[in-house]
Amino acid sequence: DAGVIQSPRHEVTEMGQEVTLRCKPISGHDYLFWYRQTMMRGLELLIYFNNNVPIDDSGMPEDRFSAKMPNASFSTLKIQPSEPRDSAVYFCASSLALGQGAQETQYFGPGTRLLVL
Amino acid sequence: LAKTTQPISMDSYEGQEVNITCSHNNIATNDYITWYQQFPSQGPRFIIQGYKTKVTNEVASLFIPADRKSSTLSLPRVSLSDTAVYYCLVGVYNQGGKLIFGQGTELSVKP
Repeated sequence: DAGVIQSPRHEVTEMGQEVTLRCKPISGHDYLFWYRQTMMRGLELLIYFNNNVPIDDSGMPEDRFSAKMPNASFSTLKIQPSEPRDSAVYFCASSLALGQGAQETQYFGPGTRLLVL
Repeated sequence: LAKTTQPISMDSYEGQEVNITCSHNNIATNDYITWYQQFPSQGPRFIIQGYKTKVTNEVASLFIPADRKSSTLSLPRVSLSDTAVYYCLVGVYNQGGKLIFGQGTELSVKP
């Protein structure tokens, strides 16, 4: 398996523009996670899905952020409108399970480095 | 809610053994202890996981005392390429679904 795939790897945009980040989880993994990493706040969980259904989105900063998982092999994280404070590295991760020892290991993608000017 | 405490940074030299200890006083009975490694400009990567006693794989060893209130990640004979941030996580699934990565330990290996 190619691992978790994210695109784009880098994104530079202007304030107010819409940004869409994409993720392809590892085949067979039932859980998908979106994280944001900044120097100030570290690695934060934004939202996670189980079998394509959002389970916990309490980490989503505000209504400008939305995430979807239309099928088991694809998820998007959208920011509309984007702001400079959204600049960060966004990671997608997937796992087989949660709370089941070794099966809960999360596999991270390479991340999308977002810069909002 | 299990919380972990680990040193913010550590320095070492090539060839030395490095031990990073993580405190997790409120660990629950069903919680596992998991360590991740993150290189600059990359996502975190699973290193090792354990429940009790000792676990060893090709990368590291994990020592967990009987009370499980702490754990120690041991990296044998580190090299420059082991320079990274190491995160200790307890009970991957926490209350409310929030997975908490702490600040991690920034390990710097010098020649």
